[in-house]
Amino acid sequence: SQQGEEDPQALSIQEGENATMNCSYKTSINNLQWYRQNSGRGLVHLILIRSNEREKHSGRLRVTLDTSKKSSSLLITASRAADTASYFCATDAGTALIFGKGTTLSVSS
Amino acid sequence: EAGVAQSPRYKIIEKRQSVAFWCNPISGHATLYWYQQILGQGPKLLIQFQNNGVVDDSQLPKDRFSAERLKGVDSTLKIQPAKLEDSAVYLCASRYASYEQYFGPGTRLTVT
Repeated sequence: SQQGEEDPQALSIQEGENATMNCSYKTSINNLQWYRQNSGRGLVHLILIRSNEREKHSGRLRVTLDTSKKSSSLLITASRAADTASYFCATDAGTALIFGKGTTLSVSS
Repeated sequence: EAGVAQSPRYKIIEKRQSVAFWCNPISGHATLYWYQQILGQGPKLLIQFQNNGVVDDSQLPKDRFSAERLKGVDSTLKIQPAKLEDSAVYLCASRYASYEQYFGPGTRLTVT
């Protein structure tokens, strides 16, 4: 079963713009992770935010977590064409990750 | 540090045939996962190993899928017989303790 639901399903922006993706989940978690997947490639881990954290930064990435609303957001600032990929949130409740269906981001130059 | 290795990268078979995938996790990672990713969806867990024991195989279609982890290191996932709906990317991941999972490049299976 899939716990995380990303929104929007698809997003198209211009280089230099910011991209925001949202994730909602259903049950209690230990942490929430975001992954990127380029077409035909494996998943690359981007960032992990623990349940007692509210915000985390890594380079051009900013992740927020609201456990009361069971939601998270991923912000990519100053996007580049190389950011074109699918982005997945995954919740960790102590065993395996449960992934959402992903947001497909397209960045045009 | 070498990543998670998987082979083959691509496989095309006919329905009712059998197929096997191989995974070599990162050295020292006790936990190993197999995921199935159907086109347009997120990965779905098939089976989780801790060393060479199964932790969770609740979503593994056991009538046709089987998996083993030899000596707590390499793992193989087998499908026999394959169905059209098994067409997907099969991802292997490994993890050390409670840190993030590292994924291999995946095996893209096409069943015709």
